[in-house]
Amino acid sequence: AQSVTQPDIHITVSEGASLELRCNYSYGATPYLFWYVQSPGQGLQLLLKYFSGDTLVQGIKGFEAEFKRSQSSFNLRKPSVHWSDAAEYFCAVRSGGSYIPTFGRGTSLIVHP
Amino acid sequence: DAMVIQNPRYQVTQFGKPVTLSCSQTLNHNVMYWYQQKSSQAPKLLFHYYDKDFNNEADTPDNFQSRRPNTSFCFLDIRSPGLGDAAMYLCATSGLAGGGQETQYFGPGTRLLVL
Repeated sequence: AQSVTQPDIHITVSEGASLELRCNYSYGATPYLFWYVQSPGQGLQLLLKYFSGDTLVQGIKGFEAEFKRSQSSFNLRKPSVHWSDAAEYFCAVRSGGSYIPTFGRGTSLIVHP
Repeated sequence: DAMVIQNPRYQVTQFGKPVTLSCSQTLNHNVMYWYQQKSSQAPKLLFHYYDKDFNNEADTPDNFQSRRPNTSFCFLDIRSPGLGDAAMYLCATSGLAGGGQETQYFGPGTRLLVL
């Protein structure tokens, strides 16, 4: 069975600082990986996804993530955080043979001015 | 050009009074999902449709039912809402892009309040 761990419940950064949100997965084969962002009272918006190929994936809003098979990780990064990035971030994993993803519990990003 | 639309965005109901939440999509996707999300938690899958085939998660309460009359629409019925059913309800879709590379697209959610 697949699983996702987001070890940080909350992350606090200053505006303009760099950001890294951690995601570790457990799955036997090559996973399909996703990062979603959720603003308060809104649905989930896809930031980026990894299926295959280049392990560094670029997404919307200046985010990127790197798939590291050896570490079973898919960490989300942004070089300079804006106040509008404050939100909940969810990592998800899915196998190629399924259309049901497994979500991590989420990381809440707080941005200080 | 909204792709997954949920109505209403906010729904207030009374304890025990049936309520229906609706979802529509313009993506012509095969799969539609209903999730329940409580505060500071990950979305929890209630059920999903693969075309007209209904798939219920094992721990979804009997109080929750769903209908999908056509590709575009899907409904979530809560027969007798309890206080514990107050949550955000998210609809999502995914299509058969080929090679298993489907992506889920979410609607904005319906916030349900039970009085």
